[in-house]
Amino acid sequence: DQQVKQNSPSLSVQEGRISILNCDYTNSMFDYFLWYKKYPAEGPTFLISISSIKDKNEDGRFTVFLNKSAKHLSLHIVPSQPGDSAVYFCAASFRGSQGNLIFGKGTKLSVKP
Amino acid sequence: DTEVTQTPKHLVMGMTNKKSLKCEQHMGHRAMYWYKQKAKKPPELMFVYSYEKLSINESVPSRFSPECPNSSLLNLHLHALQPEDSALYLCASSQGDRVSYNEQFFGPGTRLTVL
Repeated sequence: DQQVKQNSPSLSVQEGRISILNCDYTNSMFDYFLWYKKYPAEGPTFLISISSIKDKNEDGRFTVFLNKSAKHLSLHIVPSQPGDSAVYFCAASFRGSQGNLIFGKGTKLSVKP
Repeated sequence: DTEVTQTPKHLVMGMTNKKSLKCEQHMGHRAMYWYKQKAKKPPELMFVYSYEKLSINESVPSRFSPECPNSSLLNLHLHALQPEDSALYLCASSQGDRVSYNEQFFGPGTRLTVL
């Protein structure tokens, strides 16, 4: 059973608009969440993270929101750029796991010029 | 140097072959990881080395044998693999302290095909 779910396999957005990628999790023990971006033929690249003690973390055009009661997090990209087109993975871990990241299946974002 | 390098990029092997995948980082990271990723699936953790000691083995079959010769190098020795082991094998590293275990830097992966 998947502990981290990304229910949208793909998302298409116009350049300059906001991209919102969603992620749900089932394990309430998770206390750290991350977003990774992956281009074809490359490994995942760390994008942004959030600890469970926060509900928002912002880094430039990227903001992650965490709603613990709903076990839901989202990644907002604004404004979206064509270079943001990639597969985005949500990942979660818990204290003491020594980096055992549980990944979602990913959402393929296409930003159209 | 903020890169994790992996060799080879592609590997085709028969079920009776013995081969090795190599991973290297020079960021001073003390935790290194092997992940397996099948097509259209998320990466799945196989092994974690922390300070050159194997700390996590996610019930991986013994035909996969990890080795960490020093803090910069991580190998994955392959022997008697099955066709279903064909996948992208990703190496990652992180600083290895409690907080930054999670912020892992990934290599580009080795695309393995077992015939």
